[in-house]
Amino acid sequence: RKEVEQDPGPFNVPEGATVAFNCTYSNSASQSFFWYRQDCRKEPKLLMSVYSSGNEDGRFTAQLNRASQYISLLIRDSKLSDSATYLCVVEGFGNQFYFGTGTSLTVIP
Amino acid sequence: EPEVTQTPSHQVTQMGQEVILRCVPISNHLYFYWYRQILGQKVEFLVSFYNNEISEKSEIFDDQFSVERPDGSNFTLKIRSTKLEDSAMYFCASRIPPGNTIYFGEGSWLTVV
Repeated sequence: RKEVEQDPGPFNVPEGATVAFNCTYSNSASQSFFWYRQDCRKEPKLLMSVYSSGNEDGRFTAQLNRASQYISLLIRDSKLSDSATYLCVVEGFGNQFYFGTGTSLTVIP
Repeated sequence: EPEVTQTPSHQVTQMGQEVILRCVPISNHLYFYWYRQILGQKVEFLVSFYNNEISEKSEIFDDQFSVERPDGSNFTLKIRSTKLEDSAMYFCASRIPPGNTIYFGEGSWLTVV
């Protein structure tokens, strides 16, 4: 069983649309959760941490459901510059960070 | 803003040769990592390093690989006897103690021919 699973997409949405990505993780003892963004052939960059209470940063909202071992990312009012791959990342045992395969998003004019 | 720096940005090497990838983590960070990403695939954990020793390593990180922190600032990944399937982007990352996220360098793109 994979540590972190994501729908790879691709998601192709028009500008201004709202899009949601989901992620599940297998280790119930995981403590820290993150969404990273990766542009083509670039390094992953932290988008936001994910907390149990849910958190919002501008157009981005992240949610964590520990009971279901499920993480989500919502992007409102999509911009062309949001086109990227979004990586779900879970901190596991021994300070390892497990990455999902990523969800590809293309925002279309 | 402090950043993780990596060199070289791109290296082409012949199969069987040894390669050393270098990283300078963020100065006050204590945990260091190497990840790799084969083109079109997911980011894969290789090894984590803390207090001058390996704390965790994946199945990928076999005897072909080694890491070192020779001088208190650089953190290196050595790949011996490179194979074609070692062609990938290698990312170095670092962080302060647990609870915080990790920050990646821009990566070293290794091509084995």
